[in-house]
Amino acid sequence: DVKVTQSSRYLVKRTGEKVFLECVQDMDHENMFWYRQDPGLGLRLIYFSYDVKMKEKGDIPEGYSVSREKKERFSLILESASTNQTSMYLCASRTIGYTNYGYTFGSGTRLTVV
Amino acid sequence: EDKVVQSPLSLVVHEGDTVTLNCSYEVTNFRSLLWYKQEKKAPTFLFMLTSSGIEKKSGRLSSILDKKELFSILNITATQTGDSAIYLCAVFIQGAQKLVFGQGTRLTINP
Repeated sequence: DVKVTQSSRYLVKRTGEKVFLECVQDMDHENMFWYRQDPGLGLRLIYFSYDVKMKEKGDIPEGYSVSREKKERFSLILESASTNQTSMYLCASRTIGYTNYGYTFGSGTRLTVV
Repeated sequence: EDKVVQSPLSLVVHEGDTVTLNCSYEVTNFRSLLWYKQEKKAPTFLFMLTSSGIEKKSGRLSSILDKKELFSILNITATQTGDSAIYLCAVFIQGAQKLVFGQGTRLTINP
């Protein structure tokens, strides 16, 4: 069964900490994405990556960075966590192709910054 | 700016009712519209719509796209408590190669 795995389901961090959220996919997908999900705001794109070592800013990149050193792994980094980064973080991947537009999602990481 | 808007944001109905969820969009380069269902974990794919007027159906769920009026609806008939979830609408943007999501509709089915 193909999957996208996020390393933590729940995470509690202190303000100012550096936080790493890890995402691994086993489908050899080229594209990977990080979204945050907040009530009433839906899913908002933070960063995405078309392929290894490539990254593009999404709609809300401030306060975040990413790393994609290997095709299967896409990491989201909160350089200095703040309380307004408390949210659900969803990772997704997709393979490129003319008829494939959908994503495969991970189960999410619920991050609380205190 | 590409925008996808869902309504209502929240809906509570009784088991057996029929519901209609709405999704409208304004995007630069439309390629397709997708519906996902999200329970406690990862969103799962329901439908992908590319052409106007062609209904997609899966059991009690169905969806249709109107590319002239820029909206889609998701219908659920004879609702069950297992239909309780957040329903997400997203539009795939050609060129940018990404999905833009709406706010989601939280549907609650009471027994």
